[in-house]
Amino acid sequence: EAGVAQSPRYKIIEKRQSVAFWCNPISGHATLYWYQQILGQGPKLLIQFQNNGVVDDSQLPKDRFSAERLKGVDSTLKIQPAKLEDSAVYLCASSPIGGGRETQYFGPGTRLLVL
Amino acid sequence: GESVGLHLPTLSVQEGDNSIINCAYSNSASDYFIWYKQESGKGPQFIIDIRSNMDKRQGQRVTVLLNKTVKHLSLQIAATQPGDSAVYFCAENTGGFKTIFGAGTRLFVKA
Repeated sequence: EAGVAQSPRYKIIEKRQSVAFWCNPISGHATLYWYQQILGQGPKLLIQFQNNGVVDDSQLPKDRFSAERLKGVDSTLKIQPAKLEDSAVYLCASSPIGGGRETQYFGPGTRLLVL
Repeated sequence: GESVGLHLPTLSVQEGDNSIINCAYSNSASDYFIWYKQESGKGPQFIIDIRSNMDKRQGQRVTVLLNKTVKHLSLQIAATQPGDSAVYFCAENTGGFKTIFGAGTRLFVKA
């Protein structure tokens, strides 16, 4: 079974530029998550989709971050404009159903450096 | 709760010894707990989980203990191997949609 795919793996941009990350979850998984992991910290949930609907985006900085999951399969996360403090690893995860009490399967992450 | 920044708690053990990694969780309403392992350059990987109606669960070389009275979770790794070197996160869920990760503990295994 193929795992969660993410691209790009690394990205370096200057502040105020825009960047987009892509995620393809495990086939058949209904729930998709985007996390931000700052160096030395645990992952922090940014947004959670159930199929193509948003379940939780309470910690997404909506003035600069946006995400979509058209057709309920793959997803993109965008930052516009980027700030220095957005430097982090952006992890995508998926799970079969959602609802919390199940394993999340993580992709390798996209490491973003904002200069 | 909030993490403490760049300096992760670190545990250093000798190969072959047992490791115990501890975690204090924040929400007394949390009823599902998971341990994840994260190797350098990779995403977190599921190790073991436990529901709040249990106080102990065993897997292959790993055991999770849950003490709801003091809101404490531990992960025990038997006969620790160099491949166990990683950052370990505990995560909690209240039955809602959100899983909250702790700050993590870095495990070093000395050969």
